[in-house]
Amino acid sequence: DAGVIQSPRHEVTEMGQEVTLRCKPISGHNSLFWYRQTMMRGLELLIYFNNNVPIDDSGMPEDRFSAKMPNASFSTLKIQPSEPRDSAVYFCASSFGQGGYEQYFGPGTRLTVT
Amino acid sequence: RKEVEQDPGPFNVPEGATVAFNCTYSNSASQSFFWYRQDCRKEPKLLMSVYSSGNEDGRFTAQLNRASQYISLLIRDSKLSDSATYLCVVKPSRGTSGTYKYIFGTGTRLKVLA
Repeated sequence: DAGVIQSPRHEVTEMGQEVTLRCKPISGHNSLFWYRQTMMRGLELLIYFNNNVPIDDSGMPEDRFSAKMPNASFSTLKIQPSEPRDSAVYFCASSFGQGGYEQYFGPGTRLTVT
Repeated sequence: RKEVEQDPGPFNVPEGATVAFNCTYSNSASQSFFWYRQDCRKEPKLLMSVYSSGNEDGRFTAQLNRASQYISLLIRDSKLSDSATYLCVVKPSRGTSGTYKYIFGTGTRLKVLA
């Protein structure tokens, strides 16, 4: 079975550029989560969707970050404009249902903003 | 106080040793608990859920102590391949906003030495 798929796996970009990260959740899962992980702050939840609807975006750092889920099999996280402090690993995870179910993570996108 | 706290380690133990980690959480109404394992530069992967009565999976035993608000993970007969970071995950009760936010600890690093 295919797990959560993320692309690209690595992204290096210059400050000020737009970055788009992509995620395909596990088929049949109806909750999707975007996380950011850094050494200093650990794993932080940015936003999560249930049935394609954003439920909690309180973790989105600022207006430069936006996320969409146009259908059950695809989500994007966009950063515009990017800044060096956005450098991190961005994980997408999916689960069945909202409460009490384990989440399955994608391999992550390692973003470096120079 | 952080919502979920873990000793970052590292715990350096010889092969065959028994090692235990604790994780404390601040919200007494928390409902679901998990242990995830994360290898270096990889995504977190579910190790096991933690049930109220405690549960065991091979060499791994997880326990929940609601009175003292902590969960524990015990690894017996540790193997070199157990070397990883172990993340504690807590799902608080449904908040007033109706969200199901999973809170990740920053992880405990384990190194099993030959």
